[in-house]
Amino acid sequence: GAGVSQSPSNKVTEKGKDVELRCDPISGHTALYWYRQRLGQGLEFLIYFQGNSAPDKSGLPSDRFSAERTGESVSTLTIQRTQQEDSAVYLCASSPTPGIGYTFGSGTRLTVV
Amino acid sequence: GESVGLHLPTLSVQEGDNSIINCAYSNSASDYFIWYKQESGKGPQFIIDIRSNMDKRQGQRVTVLLNKTVKHLSLQIAATQPGDSAVYFCAENGVGGNQFYFGTGTSLTVIP
Repeated sequence: GAGVSQSPSNKVTEKGKDVELRCDPISGHTALYWYRQRLGQGLEFLIYFQGNSAPDKSGLPSDRFSAERTGESVSTLTIQRTQQEDSAVYLCASSPTPGIGYTFGSGTRLTVV
Repeated sequence: GESVGLHLPTLSVQEGDNSIINCAYSNSASDYFIWYKQESGKGPQFIIDIRSNMDKRQGQRVTVLLNKTVKHLSLQIAATQPGDSAVYFCAENGVGGNQFYFGTGTSLTVIP
C-alpha cells in the first residue's frame, strides 16, 4: 500500500484480556518498528525487526508483550493479560533500511477498562 | 538508554510569526537527527533531517540547526500558519543507528 496501515484504529478491552494489534508496512520496507505513546508523552521504543534477523526486543516492558513478523510483511503486537497501564497509542513504523527516517502509521489507540 | 528532551513543552505563536522549537540530546554518538510533526489522532510525520556532518539544513519554511558542542537541536518554522499547530518531536539515532529515540515533544499552537 501507499502507507503504513494499522488495525484496529481503536480498541477497548477489559483488564486481563489479550489483544492483538496489526501493522502492514510499506511494501519493500525491510525495517519495522513498534512504539508506544502514552497520553501527552513521547514515543517509547518497543521492538524492531530487520529482514530475517533476530528482532531487537530490548524495549518490550514485560513478558506480557510479544511481537512477530513474517518475513518483510505484516507484524502483530500481542499484549497478554492487559493492564490499565497498557492504555496508550501503539504506533508502527517502517523504513526501507535501518537508520533512515521512518514512515509511521496512524496508530492503534488501546484503552484497557 | 538515550535521552532526548525538549526545553519547552508548549509554545504559542501568532500566525505569521516565526517559531523556534528546541531539543537537547544526550548521546554524543548520535549522527542522524529527525524532526517529526504529529497532528492530533495521526502518526508522526517526517519534516526534516540532518546529519552530524552538517550544522544547518533548510527545507520549505523549516530550518534545522544542530550544535554538536552542546548537543542541541532546533527547528525553526518561518511564517507560522494555523496548519503548523501540532506536537513536534526530535529524534536521534543513538548507538548502533538502527532505531530512533524520541523526546516528549513540544506542543505548538498557532493563534490566528
